[in-house]
Amino acid sequence: NAGVTQTPKFQVLKTGQSMTLQCAQDMNHEYMSWYRQDPGMGLRLIHYSVGAGITDQGEVPNGYNVSRSTTEDFPLRLLSAAPSQTSVYFCASRPTGRETQYFGPGTRLLVL
Amino acid sequence: GENVEQHPSTLSVQEGDSAVIKCTYSDSASNYFPWYKQELGKRPQLIIDIRSNVGEKKDQRIAVTLNKTAKHFSLHITETQPEDSAVYFCAASNSGGSNYKLTFGKGTLLTVNP
Repeated sequence: NAGVTQTPKFQVLKTGQSMTLQCAQDMNHEYMSWYRQDPGMGLRLIHYSVGAGITDQGEVPNGYNVSRSTTEDFPLRLLSAAPSQTSVYFCASRPTGRETQYFGPGTRLLVL
Repeated sequence: GENVEQHPSTLSVQEGDSAVIKCTYSDSASNYFPWYKQELGKRPQLIIDIRSNVGEKKDQRIAVTLNKTAKHFSLHITETQPEDSAVYFCAASNSGGSNYKLTFGKGTLLTVNP
C-alpha cells in the first residue's frame, strides 16, 4: 500500500489564482480530512468526509471547497488564493471503527 | 466545540533527562487522546494514544497519563535521546460520535541536547 499520498509537494501561486491539492489513499478508509498547519497554530481542520458523497466543514473552511466522489480521492480546491492561505496542508485518513489517523506527506503552498 | 491547550510551547532537556508535556481539553465527551510526533519537514506520526477508560499507558520510554476528572493528559518521555527532538502534538476527540473530529493542541518543540 502507498498509504496516503498528496500532490504536489510544493506550489507557488499568485493571489487570485485557483488550484486543487490532490489527496489519495489506497487503504479503503472511509474517513478523510484536510488540515492546515501554520507556525504556532498546530493542525487545524479545514474539511472532512465520512464517506463518498459526504463532506462537512471543519474549523477553518472559508476559501476552500472539497468533494468526495470516490472512497480513494479527496481533493481540496482553492477558488481564489490569498496570502493568508500560505501554509502546509496535510491530508489524513482513518478506517471506520478505528481512531488512528494516517497523514499524507503534506503540500507546502506559498501564495504571493 | 473542543478546545485543547498544550504546554509548554518549547522544552529543552539534556540527553537522558525526562520530558513532560501537558494538555487540557474542554469537552467532557472526548474519549480518545492521541499524541503525534512531527520531525522537521515530515508528516505527523502517531506515537501513543489513550482512551478514556484507561488512566495510563506505556510503550517503552513513552507513557501517557489521563485524568478525566481534571480533563488533562500528559506525555512522559524518559531517558531522552537526541532523536526525540521534534514537535509533539496532543489531540482529543469523541470517537463515538458520528462527526468524528480530532482537535489538536498547538504543539511543543522538544529539543534534546547531547
